Amino acid sequence: QQQVKQSPQSLIVQKGGISIINCAYENTAFDYFPWYQQFPGKGPALLIAIRPDVSEKKEGRFTISFNKSAKQFSLHIMDSQPGDSATYFCAASMVTGNTPLVFGKGTRLSVIA
Amino acid sequence: NAGVTQTPKFQVLKTGQSMTLQCAQDMNHEYMSWYRQDPGMGLRLIHYSVGAGITDQGEVPNGYNVSRSTTEDFPLRLLSAAPSQTSVYFCASSYSGLRSLEYYGYTFGSGTRLTVV
Repeated sequence: QQQVKQSPQSLIVQKGGISIINCAYENTAFDYFPWYQQFPGKGPALLIAIRPDVSEKKEGRFTISFNKSAKQFSLHIMDSQPGDSATYFCAASMVTGNTPLVFGKGTRLSVIA
Repeated sequence: NAGVTQTPKFQVLKTGQSMTLQCAQDMNHEYMSWYRQDPGMGLRLIHYSVGAGITDQGEVPNGYNVSRSTTEDFPLRLLSAAPSQTSVYFCASSYSGLRSLEYYGYTFGSGTRLTVV
């Protein structure tokens, strides 16, 4: 059973546009929801993270929106740039229960000029 | 401050051979974990450790063994390599606690690309 479902699998966005990636989870005990960015040949790196007591978090052009009742969260990349082209992973864990991160299957984003 | 160091970066094994993937971190992180990354499958957890002397299984533990004798090191052993273990392996470490995770997250190594023939 996949604990975190991510969509779409791939995404092509024009430069300057908005990229939106969605994730859904099942376990209501999850209390930590990060997004990771991975460039080819590199390990994933933390982009932004949110806790379930907050509905939105913004860092620069990146925003996480969190809907606790729907058990969904999404990543919005505003003014998308070619340098944002990478694979993005959502993840979740139960930090209070000391459980490790479970990841979605990833979204390959291509931002074209 | 080196972060998470994985060795080797590339490895080719024959079916049935055994080997150890090394992972070391110098950030005094309590938490360490091993993931494998396969196309279209995301990152799947193999084993993890919440501190020295404590390990637990993840989603895909079969064929792999771990131990955590020190805070810094978390080696992953392939007992008898199979072609299905061809993958990119990532080691990650982190502080425990929600506030630390929110700001620092997991630190990943650069990966080991393993091919089993």
